[in-house]
Amino acid sequence: QVQLQESGPGLVRPSETLSLTCTVSGASIGSNYWSWIRQPPGKGLEWLAYIYNSGGTNYNPSLKSRVTISVDMSKNQFSLKLDSVSAADTAVYFCARVVIEGYNDFFDYWGQGTLVTVSS
Amino acid sequence: DIQMTQSPSSLTASVGDRVTITCRASQSINTYLNWYQLKPGKAPKVLIYTASTLQRGVPSRFRGSGSGTDFTLTVTGLQPEDFALYYCQQSDSIPYTFGQGTKLEIK
Repeated sequence: QVQLQESGPGLVRPSETLSLTCTVSGASIGSNYWSWIRQPPGKGLEWLAYIYNSGGTNYNPSLKSRVTISVDMSKNQFSLKLDSVSAADTAVYFCARVVIEGYNDFFDYWGQGTLVTVSS
Repeated sequence: DIQMTQSPSSLTASVGDRVTITCRASQSINTYLNWYQLKPGKAPKVLIYTASTLQRGVPSRFRGSGSGTDFTLTVTGLQPEDFALYYCQQSDSIPYTFGQGTKLEIK
């Protein structure tokens, strides 16, 4: 059974960098696509980025200049860094596995999510 | 970006009812449309992928249909565990985008 677990600080100060890690069990980081998705309070889901083949990446253009996704093969983890955060970045952050089914991509396993609040 | 418009934004129904949620894309997305169920504090779950394929382990009371710009998720015979948030998601082009969600509440 594939399981994902997000971890990281629950509170980040404005203008600082948000850093989260997703620990994966039951699947190899190097053999799949992995993604970050967030949900601001009371709002819908927003896809942030994905990483594949241990290094290829794709980012949401709306956040591209501030987001970095990376992988640590030795720990079977992948990470998210979001620079220069503001209150608008307050959200529940989810990590997920991406399945490529022909031309359709979907998220088949997710973490439970972690709330990150941006506040001084 | 492709905009996904879901309706209704909220829905009240009873156990045993049949409900339908719709999702409209701002341009044709073929059948590259997926449906998810979210519950507070739990990992989200994919229900339907590629518009109409039931994910392994998902009860057959969930049904997806549509192609092009118009899609539906139908739940026939609502169960207590089905009261949750539902989202559609397109993968025709990057960035992946989601509908704004439908909250299904018990009457």
